[in-house]
Amino acid sequence: GQQLNQSPQSMFIQEGEDVSMNCTSSSIFNTWLWYKQEPGEGPVLLIALYKAGELTSNGRLTAQFGITRKDSFLNISASIPSDVGIYFCAGMGAGNQFYFGTGTSLTVIP
Amino acid sequence: DTGVSQDPRHKITKRGQNVTFRCDPISEHNRLYWYRQTLGQGPEFLTYFQNEAQLEKSRLLSDRFSAERPKGSFSTLEIQRTEQGDSAMYLCASSFGWAGFYNEQFFGPGTRLTVL
Repeated sequence: GQQLNQSPQSMFIQEGEDVSMNCTSSSIFNTWLWYKQEPGEGPVLLIALYKAGELTSNGRLTAQFGITRKDSFLNISASIPSDVGIYFCAGMGAGNQFYFGTGTSLTVIP
Repeated sequence: DTGVSQDPRHKITKRGQNVTFRCDPISEHNRLYWYRQTLGQGPEFLTYFQNEAQLEKSRLLSDRFSAERPKGSFSTLEIQRTEQGDSAMYLCASSFGWAGFYNEQFFGPGTRLTVL
């Protein structure tokens, strides 16, 4: 199945730093979702985006739906140790399937 | 409602055995999805139900895989004659939507399958 390109693959940052990650696709999407997954658990929804150019925040998290509809990014401000995990983007086009990115592994050093 | 639940959380089986997993979606959600996730990868779509109708199946879903959602509520995923390559996390997600409107998906905790 199709997987989206997500970068960076991994990040090691100091507590308090800001984090940016992005996701790109060769296809146009109508919906972008961002999830966080911890070991042995299912992904937890963080932010949903439905319109090109849309900028949405959830606490310290901000995500944007790219105007080309082929990309999205997620920012985390002032990172804390509990932000550790793997972050996945997911996009849906004209069909009913969500395609997931390859994930960004985040490590926060106290 | 406590969200999407899956049972069992872990399953170890021998090659050639059949296994069945269950997913209970969020009660008002009409859509239910099954995904497979292997280590280091994002979830990969397997199949999708709207109410009791199975509307889409991925090419990943071989003949050994079958999914049902008989009353439009819980769903089961069966794998027959398991192979070592079937070892993965099987994730279920549910959402509420209809044609032209897609709402966000909420995932269950997953069933970790190990085939020996």
